[in-house]
Amino acid sequence: GNSVTQMEGPVTLSEEAFLTINCTYTATGYPSLFWYVQYPGEGLQLLLKATKADDKGSNKGFEATYRKETTSFHLEKGSVQVSDSAVYFCALSDPGNQGGKLIFGQGTELSVKP
Amino acid sequence: DTGVSQDPRHKITKRGQNVTFRCDPISEHNRLYWYRQTLGQGPEFLTYFQNEAQLEKSRLLSDRFSAERPKGSFSTLEIQRTEQGDSAMYLCASGVGTLKGYGYTFGSGTRLTVV
Repeated sequence: GNSVTQMEGPVTLSEEAFLTINCTYTATGYPSLFWYVQYPGEGLQLLLKATKADDKGSNKGFEATYRKETTSFHLEKGSVQVSDSAVYFCALSDPGNQGGKLIFGQGTELSVKP
Repeated sequence: DTGVSQDPRHKITKRGQNVTFRCDPISEHNRLYWYRQTLGQGPEFLTYFQNEAQLEKSRLLSDRFSAERPKGSFSTLEIQRTEQGDSAMYLCASGVGTLKGYGYTFGSGTRLTVV
């Protein structure tokens, strides 16, 4: 079945460090791919998306490129801030499901120290 | 518009009791989703509605779980005879049906603790 695998957390970085959070997926067909962020005590917020191969999603300095050949959608940011501390979820939209439900990875906690 | 609202934010209940959660979606959204998130895991799909019709239910949704969206507006999720394994965050999301997964807004969730 369809699934998403993320790198284990927590990830601890110093402010202004480079961030990579790995995400790989298994899916039949051509899913849409997403990164969601969850700040403490809040709901999930869509961070960025990509709907087809080679698309690059970007938002707030974060980027991720839909790589069909490696079935990956790694999240990157060139210079993290303390305010980026949160849990990040990679997700896909099941292409065979008209309901649009999301399949999430297990999440990666990011902690940025000043 | 205040986004997706869930009530209560926290619920502690004794094993065997029934609980009900409420979700108020964004008013113009015709789709409403319920997810469950356990500690250290990503959200897992439970069920979804298009308007008042419940169109899909996950195998995770046992017979003790029931969801309704009576007038295509707010939704309730009821868990009967709660078990400790039901302890989780229950998330609601709403969206417009044509956006296939990337237009959804999540609520802040209801955290259930079964003791």
